[in-house]
Amino acid sequence: GIQVEQSPPDLILQEGANSTLRCNFSDSVNNLQWFHQNPWGQLINLFYIPSGTKQNGRLSATTVATERYSLLYISSSQTTDSGVYFCAVKRANFGNEKLTFGTGTRLTIIP
Amino acid sequence: DTGVSQDPRHKITKRGQNVTFRCDPISEHNRLYWYRQTLGQGPEFLTYFQNEAQLEKSRLLSDRFSAERPKGSFSTLEIQRTEQGDSAMYLCASSGSGTGLYEQYFGPGTRLTVT
Repeated sequence: GIQVEQSPPDLILQEGANSTLRCNFSDSVNNLQWFHQNPWGQLINLFYIPSGTKQNGRLSATTVATERYSLLYISSSQTTDSGVYFCAVKRANFGNEKLTFGTGTRLTIIP
Repeated sequence: DTGVSQDPRHKITKRGQNVTFRCDPISEHNRLYWYRQTLGQGPEFLTYFQNEAQLEKSRLLSDRFSAERPKGSFSTLEIQRTEQGDSAMYLCASSGSGTGLYEQYFGPGTRLTVT
């Protein structure tokens, strides 16, 4: 199956800092989503971005499908940004509907 | 749009008991998914429905697990003869179909503890 690798696994930053999270995947995809998992386990949708660039406030994401990676940028970090960030992809083959998740990046923002 | 809901949010059971979880998807979504997440890992796919038809099942879904979506709306996931290894967060997601509607939205999950 498709492999999804996220880096770094852990990131500790001071409030106000910027960060870049990376997601590499091993095959062609037709769906890529970024999620933030809060301390209660809820997965919050950040971006649906199979290709291109999107921005939403302090967050932005870029997917370069031909090179099989995606980046999530967080600017001016706040303590509420803490949590685990997951990248999930859907392999581009007929009949496949499942998302394959990476192992996540745990982000800790220190006040 | 009230989002995906799951019930119960927490379940503690003794080994060998049967448990059943319910998922209500976003109302206009015809696709429904079940995933399982263990501590420190990302969610793993279990099964997928389009309307009432179960179209894909993971090898993780042993014969003790069964999922249904009888009228193409809510879904249930049953685990028979639970084992301690079944302890996990069980997540449900839904999506539409057609251009631009494939984004999956997740419910809050049911956390299962098998003692």
